[in-house]
Amino acid sequence: DVQMTQFPSTLSASVGDRVTITCRASQSISTWLAWCQQKPGTAPKLLIYKASNLESGVPSRFSGSGSGTEFTLTINSLQPDDFATYYCLQYNTYSYTFGQGTKLEIK
Amino acid sequence: EVQLVESGGGLIQPGGSLRLSCAASGLIVNSNYITWVRQAPGKGLEWVSVIYSDGKTYYADSVRGRFTISRDKSENTLYLQMSSLRAEDTAVYYCASRRSQLLPFDSWGQGTLVTVSS
Repeated sequence: DVQMTQFPSTLSASVGDRVTITCRASQSISTWLAWCQQKPGTAPKLLIYKASNLESGVPSRFSGSGSGTEFTLTINSLQPDDFATYYCLQYNTYSYTFGQGTKLEIK
Repeated sequence: EVQLVESGGGLIQPGGSLRLSCAASGLIVNSNYITWVRQAPGKGLEWVSVIYSDGKTYYADSVRGRFTISRDKSENTLYLQMSSLRAEDTAVYYCASRRSQLLPFDSWGQGTLVTVSS
């Protein structure tokens, strides 16, 4: 099975900052990588699919990059609504795998 | 608009069985991909199972042999039959669908809580 290592597990930042979250896959997954955002008590929300494609309705300050085994999610100019937990997900194989999650906190 | 509504969660003793439902509107369950994802209290997301439009099913190692995903065309509902339940199966269970094969999912239900405890 593909293992996903996501880091950092916690990130403290301020409104207006630029932050980056990284995910590494244990084997190549091409660009079959998604990023989602989750707020407490709610279902996850898809932000990025196929590594770099912005889901409809998601602000352009979110961007994704990478291929193969290393991927990043970048959020430019953090807004108050962005403080949440972020997960990467590989869906290259029939058995999907989430990263461990990154909790983005207000500094 | 796709809407997914999970139900069937509750308190169940270890070793017991439970069937979760995912009722869909805005899509035809029998010809769509739907996946189950769970989240233990205070923990991260874990992919559980998927059924494709062709009927093929796949499971996470942690549930294979104990959980079965199926669908009912007449009810337009997806099911997750869970047996031999363990404390570590305690979680909120979400079903999710997608509009395109390029995505893992884009529509989610609200989730249903399963608590395995004596």
